[in-house]
Amino acid sequence: EADIYQTPRYLVIGTGKKITLECSQTMGHDKMYWYQQDPGMELHLIHYSYGVNSTEKGDLSSESTVSRIRTEHFPLTLESARPSHTSQYLCASSGLENTIYFGEGSWLTVV
Amino acid sequence: GQSLEQPSEVTAVEGAIVQINCTYQTSGFYGLSWYQQHDGGAPTFLSYNALDGLEETGRFSSFLSRSDSYGYLLLQELQMKDSASYFCAVGGDTGRRALTFGSGTRLQVQP
Repeated sequence: EADIYQTPRYLVIGTGKKITLECSQTMGHDKMYWYQQDPGMELHLIHYSYGVNSTEKGDLSSESTVSRIRTEHFPLTLESARPSHTSQYLCASSGLENTIYFGEGSWLTVV
Repeated sequence: GQSLEQPSEVTAVEGAIVQINCTYQTSGFYGLSWYQQHDGGAPTFLSYNALDGLEETGRFSSFLSRSDSYGYLLLQELQMKDSASYFCAVGGDTGRRALTFGSGTRLQVQP
């Protein structure tokens, strides 16, 4: 099984608050990703990284930012949360093979 | 860009065989993957096809035809626990492109 961890798992915050979703993996994977998924819907890539100090935006426009200062850590930050940001955020990583390992997800509700 | 099409829902009974199709359009092809996601859970890897043909893993098989831009996931001897959403995805090569997921097929297995 993959070792990729996300915190918090569930969060309810007020509009305008700043929030950082944490993601860590212990597999030494170079590639890491953030996907956004609404219940029952498809996964949308919002950010990805191919290594330390490498980050790129994904297919879905997002007001979030990411950083990759250490290989194992890939946090996602929302500077000012809005109700439209309510969703599930899935962090993932992959090594040389084509398998992507997902964390359990962070469910964010902005009220 | 990349786009994938798969049926939104499939219903089958326990013990039966079900096939979930996926057609794709990509500017560059680096393999077709399948992921399973139970309600409230994270996607988990099922199979990957880089070349044409059938890959078998236990009760699950996956097929790819690159000339037709088409693949399918075959689930045999269906069990209740197979009720989940199934996503096909393209990309994920050893280069820079992350996976793009289809919209998912919700499989309901009935007694």
